[in-house]
Amino acid sequence: EVQLVESGGGLVQPGGSLRLSCAASGFTFSSYWMHWVRQAPGKGLVWVSRINSDGSSTRYADSVKGRFTISTDNAKNTLYLQMNSLRAEDTAVYYCVRGNGDYGNWYFDLWGRGTLVTVSS
Amino acid sequence: SYVLTQPPSVSVAPGKTARITCGVNNIGSKSVHWYQQRPGQAPVVVIYYDSDRPSGIPERFSGSNSGNTATLTITRVEAGDEADYYCQVWDSSSDHPVVFGGGTKLTVL
Repeated sequence: EVQLVESGGGLVQPGGSLRLSCAASGFTFSSYWMHWVRQAPGKGLVWVSRINSDGSSTRYADSVKGRFTISTDNAKNTLYLQMNSLRAEDTAVYYCVRGNGDYGNWYFDLWGRGTLVTVSS
Repeated sequence: SYVLTQPPSVSVAPGKTARITCGVNNIGSKSVHWYQQRPGQAPVVVIYYDSDRPSGIPERFSGSNSGNTATLTITRVEAGDEADYYCQVWDSSSDHPVVFGGGTKLTVL
């Protein structure tokens, strides 16, 4: 079955760290660019970060730049998001998402179910 | 960077046609993708590249894009279509290349 399964969310104090994982299965993980998209409670979708298929290129939203790091382990078919210096405004469901389509104009054709990150003291 | 404007809510009676808009200056020069998010679920793409429909998405869903407005049209609306809908574009020249609209809550009366 083609799927993405996130894990690693939870409750963390402001200033703390968390690492999210996303296990991919049912497709050739190393062929796709992967993304993280988040959604704060009751709010809309916000793109967080992306990584290219071989892991050599990354980009981040300004709101997380310098605090979050995206990476992949293609041998394990797994996407990661290392989140440091967490803030209350980082509280959200984090979705692992596959990009598909033309270069520079991808759409998101496969989403995980999401993992909830709560930053609170 | 782009700010995609969607109406916060659209209401429609069952069997009627719903139109959800996504606006920004010259959006017609971009490819627009649309996602449906039912309560408590992850988003699902329903239209990509303005008007292409993934397998498994009913033909009742269609998209168009011209000028300053992209539109998602849902004909013969059903109760199961009640969801939040988001448009999305790429702005590759921006530091924030992926832009989502604010979302539209579709209510089936």
